[in-house]
Amino acid sequence: DTGVSQDPRHKITKRGQNVTFRCDPISEHNRLYWYRQTLGQGPEFLTYFQNEAQLEKSRLLSDRFSAERPKGSFSTLEIQRTEQGDSAMYLCASSFPRTGSGGSYGYTFGSGTRLTVV
Amino acid sequence: AQKITQTQPGMFVQEKEAVTLDCTYDTSDPSYGLFWYKQPSSGEMIFLIYQGSYDQQNATEGRYSLNFQKARKSANLVISASQLGDSAMYFCAMRENSGYSTLTFGKGTMLLVSP
Repeated sequence: DTGVSQDPRHKITKRGQNVTFRCDPISEHNRLYWYRQTLGQGPEFLTYFQNEAQLEKSRLLSDRFSAERPKGSFSTLEIQRTEQGDSAMYLCASSFPRTGSGGSYGYTFGSGTRLTVV
Repeated sequence: AQKITQTQPGMFVQEKEAVTLDCTYDTSDPSYGLFWYKQPSSGEMIFLIYQGSYDQQNATEGRYSLNFQKARKSANLVISASQLGDSAMYFCAMRENSGYSTLTFGKGTMLLVSP
């Protein structure tokens, strides 16, 4: 594995259209996270999967957003009826619990999908 | 209340000098981890350094060191001998171990290194 892959890298869509992003985590990582980063801000947590189970969702994840991780491998994030406020970088990260001093968890981030809604 | 505060929107440093990027955090969880990430203009988040709340010594990774002051709830990043390639956004983040290991990020500090 070379890391976490996200596709597409860039997406321009018209307001009201649906978009879907894909994230392929590192194969042995059982945890997968989606974050959203708007201009000038740090990433904000959207949702978390452990294997195929979606265990946590942020209040930022409105009902227009849905995420899946079938079979605990790749994940998709879909935004329905996009709005201009959805324009952001969508980052995916994966991790696995590893032993070590303090129980550090190693996260690996993808390069993100930059969404522009026009 | 913000969990991670980075008060420096931007910092300037000359090449080969050291620079400190500030980070304060807020948590009631006794077990937590603190991270620093670098984000160049290309967008990827690059892990720099980690400090666990129970670690006795300050973390170091090459030119990066973390000045961890637990009582003051601060976790400042020190970059020694700055290089032009260090110019980027830097984010401090925290993971509270009582939760699902999600990261909470600060707003970031833009570092510009001049020749």
